[in-house]
Amino acid sequence: DGGITQSPKYLFRKEGQNVTLSCEQNLNHDAMYWYRQDPGQGLRLIYYSQIVNDFQKGDIAEGYSVSREKKESFPLTVTSAQKNPTAFYLCASSETGPDTQYFGPGTRLTVL
Amino acid sequence: AQSVAQPEDQVNVAEGNPLTVKCTYSVSGNPYLFWYVQYPNRGLQFLLKYITGDNLVKGSYGFEAEFNKSQTSFHLKKPSALVSDSALYFCAVRDTGDDKIIFGKGTRLHILP
Repeated sequence: DGGITQSPKYLFRKEGQNVTLSCEQNLNHDAMYWYRQDPGQGLRLIYYSQIVNDFQKGDIAEGYSVSREKKESFPLTVTSAQKNPTAFYLCASSETGPDTQYFGPGTRLTVL
Repeated sequence: AQSVAQPEDQVNVAEGNPLTVKCTYSVSGNPYLFWYVQYPNRGLQFLLKYITGDNLVKGSYGFEAEFNKSQTSFHLKKPSALVSDSALYFCAVRDTGDDKIIFGKGTRLHILP
């Protein structure tokens, strides 16, 4: 089956720890995206990548980092510098540029 | 700069009645417009998009949306609502030449049996 997978579904971490969220796609899409979803605030773009080995900051990149070493993978690291990391994180991909995006099931991160 | 607004946090509709979820946008060029739906604790699913051409766009699950350039709107509609349509709906916009999509804050749709 083609699609986007995110793991884990739920993640708990202690304050001050870095944590990495996984996103993998087998759709052969060039572009990948990370969004953060908070109640009442919709989706906010954290980072995006339109091609391997290249990525750009979105609207709320502070406290996050990414890498794009492989076409199918776009991991997101939530660092200890992120002031309020507890949220629902969504990964998406699209064939080229910001056209129709296909979303993963999401990871709910809770920082204790 | 591009922006999108969904003026209603929540919409309640009786099953079988027509539904409308509102969306307005602002872009400097020509808009690319999208609707997505999110069921509880899941990712977003694409419903439909407007790129160019016919102002009435048909999408998945019987939904359609009408592009109105003069009113800068892209309202989502369905002639007869189902209880299973209850979900969170997001409107999104991309400006010509931009490499990002901007999402609205979402509208929660409740279909009452």
